[in-house]
Amino acid sequence: AQSVAQPEDQVNVAEGNPLTVKCTYSVSGNPYLFWYVQYPNRGLQFLLKYITGDNLVKGSYGFEAEFNKSQTSFHLKKPSALVSDSALYFCAVRPGGSQGNLIFGKGTKLSVKP
Amino acid sequence: NAGVTQTPKFQVLKTGQSMTLQCAQDMNHEYMSWYRQDPGMGLRLIHYSVGAGITDQGEVPNGYNVSRSTTEDFPLRLLSAAPSQTSVYFCASSLMSSGRGETQYFGPGTRLLVL
Repeated sequence: AQSVAQPEDQVNVAEGNPLTVKCTYSVSGNPYLFWYVQYPNRGLQFLLKYITGDNLVKGSYGFEAEFNKSQTSFHLKKPSALVSDSALYFCAVRPGGSQGNLIFGKGTKLSVKP
Repeated sequence: NAGVTQTPKFQVLKTGQSMTLQCAQDMNHEYMSWYRQDPGMGLRLIHYSVGAGITDQGEVPNGYNVSRSTTEDFPLRLLSAAPSQTSVYFCASSLMSSGRGETQYFGPGTRLLVL
């Protein structure tokens, strides 16, 4: 079955420290991968995506993600966390043959403390 | 552009009542979809559409109906609300012209409570 896993329900980071939110996937064919962020009582906002090309993808608000085909991972990273980065983060994949549908992970709550 | 809009923002229903959640987009997107978000379960696809007159079921379609008479609108109907349908509902849309790399854009959500 095609799926996305976010192994950590919550990640706690001190402000100014680097952060990583993990995502692994299992899909057939070449994966198209996405990261979204959700602030409290808001909709999902697009951060970045990997389609093809460079394995390191840069996105909004200083976030980046590294695609690793051998480890089937697409971890979200930021060199220096801000308190305002505290939110719920979702990894999603669009499998081969999909008509546009995304498969989402369960989400990871990021908490950045001053 | 207003993007993806959803109404209402919040709704309380009694078991057995019916209602329609509205979704509209002004970006001329072919693809539209409905998800529900439940704690610890991420987003699950209810129904989707790849163009006017074309709809299909997602992962959790039971208890919901959709139609797509125009490119802009994609309403979600609850036929007979049940407490298990208490959730936050998100509508999303995207282009399809470039294939699977298109970004989906989400509305602000509708919070539904079924008593």
